[in-house]
Amino acid sequence: NAGVTQTPKFRILKIGQSMTLQCAQDMNHNYMYWYRQDPGMGLKLIYYSVGAGITDKGEVPNGYNVSRSTTEDFPLRLELAAPSQTSVYFCASSYGRRDTGELFFGEGSRLTVL
Amino acid sequence: QKEVEQNSGPLSVPEGAIASLNCTYSDRGSQSFFWYRQYSGKSPELIMFIYSNGDKEDGRFTAQLNKASQYVSLLIRDSQPSDSATYLCAVNMEYGNKLVFGAGTILRVKS
Repeated sequence: NAGVTQTPKFRILKIGQSMTLQCAQDMNHNYMYWYRQDPGMGLKLIYYSVGAGITDKGEVPNGYNVSRSTTEDFPLRLELAAPSQTSVYFCASSYGRRDTGELFFGEGSRLTVL
Repeated sequence: QKEVEQNSGPLSVPEGAIASLNCTYSDRGSQSFFWYRQYSGKSPELIMFIYSNGDKEDGRFTAQLNKASQYVSLLIRDSQPSDSATYLCAVNMEYGNKLVFGAGTILRVKS
């Protein structure tokens, strides 16, 4: 099983450029999430989805967009990149049960905006 | 007030000692609580979850929950150098099925 696959692993953007971080899972999870992690900080939720066609904002959604057209894929779009978006981005998925709450994480995408 | 608070550390313990990691949370209605371990440059991985008051043990790890005090802790017995990592406390807030993470505590186990 591949689990949660994120691409690219590393990317450097110039200010104002746009890009899409790809995320795919093969565990048939309904719930998918995008988090960002700044150095020395915990994970901040950007967007999440409880199923295909359904997305909702997390704690820090500004400057990002998402879509969920299939159960497997949950891409994160960065529009007009800014230095404040320099971070490590983690995609995760879960069964969506409150009591277990186990998130399965991808390996992360390290983004630098210069 | 931050929703989930942890001491950033680093917490340094000698090999074989007990490491005690603490976390407080703000939402009194929170139902479930999780400890994730994150090695440097890696993604987080779940090591424990707890949703009833009291203790839950799994091998060398014990999670403790006190909902009245809004406090959850993780004890690591017989600490090993391989336990050196950042430990993230996460809380499933009542208002949605999504985890809110603390900033993490860096643990260093010295041999």
